[in-house]
Amino acid sequence: SAVISQKPSRDICQRGTSLTIQCQVDSQVTMMFWYRQQPGQSLTLIATANQGSEATYESGFVIDKFPISRPNLTFSTLTVSNMSPEDSSIYLCSAGTGLGYGYTFGSGTRLTVV
Amino acid sequence: DAKTTQPNSMESNEEEPVHLPCNHSTISGTDYIHWYRQLPSQGPEYVIHGLTSNVNNRMASLAIAEDRKSSTLILHRATLRDAAVYYCILSPAVAYSGAGSYQLTFGKGTKLSVIP
Repeated sequence: SAVISQKPSRDICQRGTSLTIQCQVDSQVTMMFWYRQQPGQSLTLIATANQGSEATYESGFVIDKFPISRPNLTFSTLTVSNMSPEDSSIYLCSAGTGLGYGYTFGSGTRLTVV
Repeated sequence: DAKTTQPNSMESNEEEPVHLPCNHSTISGTDYIHWYRQLPSQGPEYVIHGLTSNVNNRMASLAIAEDRKSSTLILHRATLRDAAVYYCILSPAVAYSGAGSYQLTFGKGTKLSVIP
């Protein structure tokens, strides 16, 4: 299965700033997703990163706040914009070629906004 | 999407088998059953999936009830490394058609503790 490198692994940011998280997959994948996980909680899907087109966002998440890029079949970025303390969370990238093969997840980016 | 119900937590002794249950009484005939687990401070990892028949792989076995309204993930010999949150997730067969992306929707899962 694919291996994901997610960077940075953690960061502490000032409110009002933006952070871009990178997700690099070691092989071409058809599907890439971004999730958020609050401490002690389950994962919530933010959006599906579509190659060559705009991402598909879940209810409660908007492009202006979480712009996503996916320039090719191995790379995606998630930006958390105009951050507030409520954005403190773990952000995870996921990728795969199909549910039948299992999806791979990155180790996550632990974001703290102060 | 059909809903799954799992116990919040379970305990197991090391080197003993573990049976993690999942109820999915509203499962449709074409829904697949997936299991993922999340070790502490890591992203989730794929464990196993199945449709109707029992499935085995190097990590675990998946036993699916005949009426498909429940399933059980079996870890044959628990180790300390198996302590994790285990998620049971359903996905429709259309997700396997290759037409577009299909995301996993995570519930609360079962937190498994392994006692040395």
